Amino acid sequence: EVQLLESGGDLVQPGGSLRLSCAASGFTFSTYAMSWVRQTPGKGLEWVSTITGSGGSTYYADSVKGRLTISRDNSKNTLSLQMNSLRAEDTAVYHCARDEYNTGWRYFDSWGQGTLVTVSS
Amino acid sequence: DIQLTQSPSSLSASVGDRVTITCRASQSISMYLNWYQQKPGKAPKLLIFSVSNLQSGVPSRFSGSGSGTDFTLTITSLQPEDFATYYCQQSHSSPRTFGQGTKLEF
Repeated sequence: EVQLLESGGDLVQPGGSLRLSCAASGFTFSTYAMSWVRQTPGKGLEWVSTITGSGGSTYYADSVKGRLTISRDNSKNTLSLQMNSLRAEDTAVYHCARDEYNTGWRYFDSWGQGTLVTVSS
Repeated sequence: DIQLTQSPSSLSASVGDRVTITCRASQSISMYLNWYQQKPGKAPKLLIFSVSNLQSGVPSRFSGSGSGTDFTLTITSLQPEDFATYYCQQSHSSPRTFGQGTKLEF
């Protein structure tokens, strides 16, 4: 069974930093791209970032480019999101999600429950 | 960015009802449309990918249709466990975007 468990969410001041982690199990981690998707009551679900299985390529939403950095450690089956220069609008529940690419179709086929990041003074 | 607009935003229904949720894209996304279900405090769950392909383990009362800009998710014979929020999502273009959600309630 695929399991994704996020951690690291916290209350942080504007301009501060935070590092989120996602522990993956139940599948061959290195063979899947992985993504972070955040969720707020106001804006709903928003794709944040994706990293390929090897970690060789990364992709970011314009709203986070230059401030958030996605990475992975395939030896530890762990996905990370380093969050710098945080803003109030980064407040959200952050989900990690497995990125399936199936005969040309792409979708998030497994999700974690998320970890809450609150940016406030 | 491609915008996805779901209607209605909320929907009242009863067990046994048939319901339809619509998702409209701001430009053609061919068949690159997925549907997710989310219950309060839980992770989103993939229901359908590429318009009409049921994810493994999803009951056959769920179905999807459409192409281009207009898509529908249909649930026949609603069950108590189906009361949740449903989201569409496009994977045609980056950034991948989601609809705002449709809350299905009693």
